[in-house]
Amino acid sequence: EAGVAQSPRYKIIEKRQSVAFWCNPISGHATLYWYQQILGQGPKLLIQFQNNGVVDDSQLPKDRFSAERLKGVDSTLKIQPAKLEDSAVYLCASSIGLEYNEQFFGPGTRLTVL
Amino acid sequence: QKEVEQDPGPLSVPEGAIVSLNCTYSNSAFQYFMWYRQYSRKGPELLMYTYSSGNKEDGRFTAQVDKSSKYISLFIRDSQPSDSATYLCAMNISPGTYKYIFGTGTRLKVLA
Repeated sequence: EAGVAQSPRYKIIEKRQSVAFWCNPISGHATLYWYQQILGQGPKLLIQFQNNGVVDDSQLPKDRFSAERLKGVDSTLKIQPAKLEDSAVYLCASSIGLEYNEQFFGPGTRLTVL
Repeated sequence: QKEVEQDPGPLSVPEGAIVSLNCTYSNSAFQYFMWYRQYSRKGPELLMYTYSSGNKEDGRFTAQVDKSSKYISLFIRDSQPSDSATYLCAMNISPGTYKYIFGTGTRLKVLA
């Protein structure tokens, strides 16, 4: 069974530039999560989708971050414009459904903002 | 006070040692407790999942939950160099209703 795929794996940008990350969850998984993991910290949930609807985006900085999950499969997370403090690893995870605790994580995208 | 506290380490132990990793939490509503292992430059992978109090064993790994003390532990027996990773605890009140809260992770090094 293929795992969660993410791209790109690494990205370096200047502050105020835009960046987008892509995630393809495990086939059949209805729930998709985007996490931000700053160095030395645990992952922090940014947004959670159930199919193509948003379940929780309370910790998403909506003035600069946006995410979508068209057709309830792939998802993209965008930052526009980026700030220095956005430097982090962005992890995508998926689970069978909302009621399941087991989340499967992708390898992450490491973002460096200069 | 953070909802979940975890010593960042690093914790260095010799191969074959018993390792004890711990988290404390403040919210008594947490009922679901998870331990994830994260290798360098990889995403976390679920190791153990426990509901409510008690012990759960899986091979060399044992998870313990003490809800009265708001304290959870992961024990690794006969530790191996391949166990060297960051171990994250995570907890939830109710899946689907609330989000996971992760600890900061403890870096473990098992020396050959």
